[in-house]
Amino acid sequence: KNQVEQSPQSLIILEGKNCTLQCNYTVSPFSNLRWYKQDTGRGPVSLTIMTFSENTKSNGRYTATLDADTKQSSLHITASQLSDSASYICVVSAHSGYNKLIFGAGTRLAVHP
Amino acid sequence: GAGVSQTPSNKVTEKGKYVELRCDPISGHTALYWYRQSLGQGPEFLIYFQGTGAADDSGLPNDRFFAVRPEGSVSTLKIQRTERGDSAVYLCASSLNQGETQYFGPGTRLLVL
Repeated sequence: KNQVEQSPQSLIILEGKNCTLQCNYTVSPFSNLRWYKQDTGRGPVSLTIMTFSENTKSNGRYTATLDADTKQSSLHITASQLSDSASYICVVSAHSGYNKLIFGAGTRLAVHP
Repeated sequence: GAGVSQTPSNKVTEKGKYVELRCDPISGHTALYWYRQSLGQGPEFLIYFQGTGAADDSGLPNDRFFAVRPEGSVSTLKIQRTERGDSAVYLCASSLNQGETQYFGPGTRLLVL
């Protein structure tokens, strides 16, 4: 069964600190992996996308890694800001003709001053 | 340009009633997706349209759920005989073509009393 698991479920950090969120997946055939940010009451917004051959991708203070052999990904946030408080969802695309998305449950990050 | 919009933003209904949720995708996007997100969970796939046709409706939980996209643009998700378990956020997303980045709307929060 195609699954995406994320850890931790929730995380509290102080403003300015770094953090790393984890994602493990069992999705086949694999097409790509995205990290989405979802603010409370809003729809998810794509942060990064990585295909099988890419093992790191940056978007400002966000850096995602992908190990396709172990089927693991991480999202590292540097110098956190209060506006980083949100849910971060790992999404794996299964190559089923139209790249069906399988979502993780998300990590809820709270950045405190 | 405008993003994906969804109406209503909130809907409260009574058990057994019929509801319609509307999605206006980004202009020119051929692919449209419906997801359901329960509290603390990631979105779950419901149905995918390519143009006017439902290319994959395998995520619809039962025959009380139905969706249409008659002109290949606006889509309506219809839920008959609503049950309390239908309470969730219903998200719509669109992409320019199948397999490309999906852009999400803000969602409709449905509460069935």
